[in-house]
Amino acid sequence: DTAVSQTPKYLVTQMGNDKSIKCEQNLGHDTMYWYKQDSKKFLKIMFSYNNKELIINETVPNRFSPKSPDKAHLNLHINSLELGDSAVYFCASSESGTSGSTDTQYFGPGTRLTVL
Amino acid sequence: DAKTTQPTSMDCAEGRAANLPCNHSTISGNEYVYWYRQIHSQGPQYIIHGLKNNETNEMASLIITEDRKSSTLILPHATLRDTAVYYCIVQGGSEKLVFGKGTKLTVNP
Repeated sequence: DTAVSQTPKYLVTQMGNDKSIKCEQNLGHDTMYWYKQDSKKFLKIMFSYNNKELIINETVPNRFSPKSPDKAHLNLHINSLELGDSAVYFCASSESGTSGSTDTQYFGPGTRLTVL
Repeated sequence: DAKTTQPTSMDCAEGRAANLPCNHSTISGNEYVYWYRQIHSQGPQYIIHGLKNNETNEMASLIITEDRKSSTLILPHATLRDTAVYYCIVQGGSEKLVFGKGTKLTVNP
């Protein structure tokens, strides 16, 4: 059973297009995250949602819009894709994520986005 | 910015213990030390975490110095499948994981 799953695994698209990446977790966790890992392999958090509410929003262009229809899903929609958006995007989840606590995060397998 | 310092790379012979050091001299009292690893082309994987005491689980042991300014992750019997980038992360209540460059561990046959 896959704990955190992402679709698609690979995404190749042209500049200017709009695309979405889906993430689902079956762990019953309250908090979900999106990370970006660029070509230099740095892994950086983009967003975090707790029970469908945005709690972390790093400095990310507003072309990126996370959407959480329920606490088991956190999708990432990207408008007007640019070359610099090419990266691997990882979804993750943790049990509580509330301020004052620490939680182990469980990561999905990643989505490799290539913008041509 | 990452609050930890790790060697860029390390090598280990298969079957031997791999000891990965991490410095976190500015760690504060409520911050935990977490270790994750990322095997090539996969998502990061949780290994172990601790606050003050040494910890052991089925994957590894974590040794934290008494002053908490450094720690060592120990893989007791490294296998080829342990080849990965290992990240030492200090995490407090904000929930934001800040990944540094990590240590690229290569386990050699």
